Amino acid sequence: DQQVKQNSPSLSVQEGRISILNCDYTNSMFDYFLWYKKYPAEGPTFLISISSIKDKNEDGRFTVFLNKSAKHLSLHIVPSQPGDSAVYFCAASAASGTYKYIFGTGTRLKVLA
Amino acid sequence: KAGVTQTPRYLIKTRGQQVTLSCSPISGHRSVSWYQQTPGQGLQFLFEYFSETQRNKGNFPGRFSGRQFSNSRSEMNVSTLELGDSALYLCASSLDQFFPGQETQYFGPGTRLLVL
Repeated sequence: DQQVKQNSPSLSVQEGRISILNCDYTNSMFDYFLWYKKYPAEGPTFLISISSIKDKNEDGRFTVFLNKSAKHLSLHIVPSQPGDSAVYFCAASAASGTYKYIFGTGTRLKVLA
Repeated sequence: KAGVTQTPRYLIKTRGQQVTLSCSPISGHRSVSWYQQTPGQGLQFLFEYFSETQRNKGNFPGRFSGRQFSNSRSEMNVSTLELGDSALYLCASSLDQFFPGQETQYFGPGTRLLVL
């Protein structure tokens, strides 16, 4: 029962262009969402989060969009840089639930110079 | 402020053995969660501890257990190791003070376990 899905296992983007990573969820109780970036041999690093009371949150080159009706969120990286090449995980939690975070399977982003 | 630390970083064990992994959360963080990462499976939630109590548990067999000490440091134990237990084990901590379930988790570098 994969409650958080990242259907694209990999994505390649040219340097300077926009990277769009997608994430879908099935549990309507989820009300907090996070994106993490992970380099090989390191733990995931927090990037950006969004609460369900918002539909957009921006932090520098990173913007997360939330579409509650579609149960879909996306991470936009503009402009993409070679250092952004990593695996990106989305995660979701329900404040009224059991406090645990459910992660997607990840999308490997490769930014081509 | 120091980040989440995990020891050891690498471990090689044989089938049937048991292993204990350690995690020290960020100072002041009270919640510690453990995840297993295997290729293609993302991060699978193992369990979460808060104030020395297991608050949540994922769908893993009873061979996987954990505990949390009064200083919030946590250990996880895997008994009777199987080949399929080879994975990266990640620990994450969060403050969990004001908005439980809506606070950022910060991860350690992980312990890579190889079972032969």
